[in-house]
Amino acid sequence: QVQLVESGGGVVQPGRSLRLSCAASGFTFNNYVMHWVRQAPGKGLEWVALISYDGSNKFYADSVKGRFTISRDNPENTVSLQMNSLEPDDTGVYFCARGSGVSGWDPFDRWGQGTLVTVSS
Amino acid sequence: EIVMTQSPATLSVSPGERATLSCRASQSVSTKLAWYQQKPGQAPRLLIYGASTRATGIPARFSGSGSGTEFTLTISSLQSEDFTFYYCQQYNNWPPYTFGQGTKLEIK
Repeated sequence: QVQLVESGGGVVQPGRSLRLSCAASGFTFNNYVMHWVRQAPGKGLEWVALISYDGSNKFYADSVKGRFTISRDNPENTVSLQMNSLEPDDTGVYFCARGSGVSGWDPFDRWGQGTLVTVSS
Repeated sequence: EIVMTQSPATLSVSPGERATLSCRASQSVSTKLAWYQQKPGQAPRLLIYGASTRATGIPARFSGSGSGTEFTLTISSLQSEDFTFYYCQQYNNWPPYTFGQGTKLEIK
């Protein structure tokens, strides 16, 4: 069955860095767009970043552009999010999610359980 | 950026009754509109995509309608497990993908 398992969350000071990973299994990973979505405590969902099926195209929310970098390793079935210059507003649960196809014009049909990032001094 | 607005923020309905949740887009998203259900402490789950197509394994009591800028999620005959949070999302004009702020469906 399809599984997405995030890791790498934790408590970090403002201005520091953190790297999240998402391990995928149960499907042909390199056939799908992958996303990161976050949720601040008690708030709604915010899309963070997209990477195309082959890693050639990447898109970011304005709130993280220039600070976060999404990447993927297709042979290892993983997608990562390198987060630099972290700010308190980056605090929240980070989900990796699968786009349901190879294009970006698809809903997010599978989600991981999320990993909590807390940015605080 | 397309702004998605959900109403109401909180909806109180009795078990066994029908719930109607609304989502409005600031400009047309055609039918590239999805609905997600999220229970506290869990990941979102895709319910509806293409405005009206149920995702795999979603019960028939969930239905979606609309196109352009106005969308509706209807849950007929509410079950206890349906009382939670619902989000709409557009995936027509991106980046960014945008979500509504959510509707909390609570027991009346």
